[in-house]
Amino acid sequence: QQQVKQSPQSLIVQKGGISIINCAYENTAFDYFPWYQQFPGKGPALLIAIRPDVSEKKEGRFTISFNKSAKQFSLHIMDSQPGDSATYFCAATIGGSARQLTFGSGTQLTVLP
Amino acid sequence: GAGVSQSPSNKVTEKGKDVELRCDPISGHTALYWYRQRLGQGLEFLIYFQGNSAPDKSGLPSDRFSAERTGESVSTLTIQRTQQEDSAVYLCASSLQTSADTQYFGPGTRLTVL
Repeated sequence: QQQVKQSPQSLIVQKGGISIINCAYENTAFDYFPWYQQFPGKGPALLIAIRPDVSEKKEGRFTISFNKSAKQFSLHIMDSQPGDSATYFCAATIGGSARQLTFGSGTQLTVLP
Repeated sequence: GAGVSQSPSNKVTEKGKDVELRCDPISGHTALYWYRQRLGQGLEFLIYFQGNSAPDKSGLPSDRFSAERTGESVSTLTIQRTQQEDSAVYLCASSLQTSADTQYFGPGTRLTVL
């Protein structure tokens, strides 16, 4: 049973546009929701994370929006740049710990120059 | 300082052979994780080590998979009698302590089973 569903599978955005990636989860015990960015040939790197006590978290051009009642969260990349082209994974875990993260299937983002 | 390193970066093996994958975590990190990433898919948790506690092996897909870690240092993931479905990138990550939120990932080992 896939506990974190991610969409879209791939996304193409023009430079300067807004990239939006969505995730939905099933397990209401999840209480920590990180996003990872992965470049080809590299391991994932933590980008930004949110806990369910807030509805939004912003770090630079990256914003997580969280809807606890709908069990959904999304990543918004403002003013998308070609250097943002990568695969993005949402994830969720219980107990606020990095232990046993459950990952979404990933979104391959391409930002056109 | 150095990040998480993994070796080899690529491994091609024949079906039925055993393979060993190595992970060197960041110095001082007590928690270590192994994940499997199949092509076009998200990461699957395999196993978790925290200090000298018994490892959490709940993600290992079969008894052909095992992992060891000596203290708070190097870990090896062993896959016995490899199958074609074992082909994937195997990622290792470490974090400072159990409750630390940030995992630092290595570049992975790409395993191809012919």
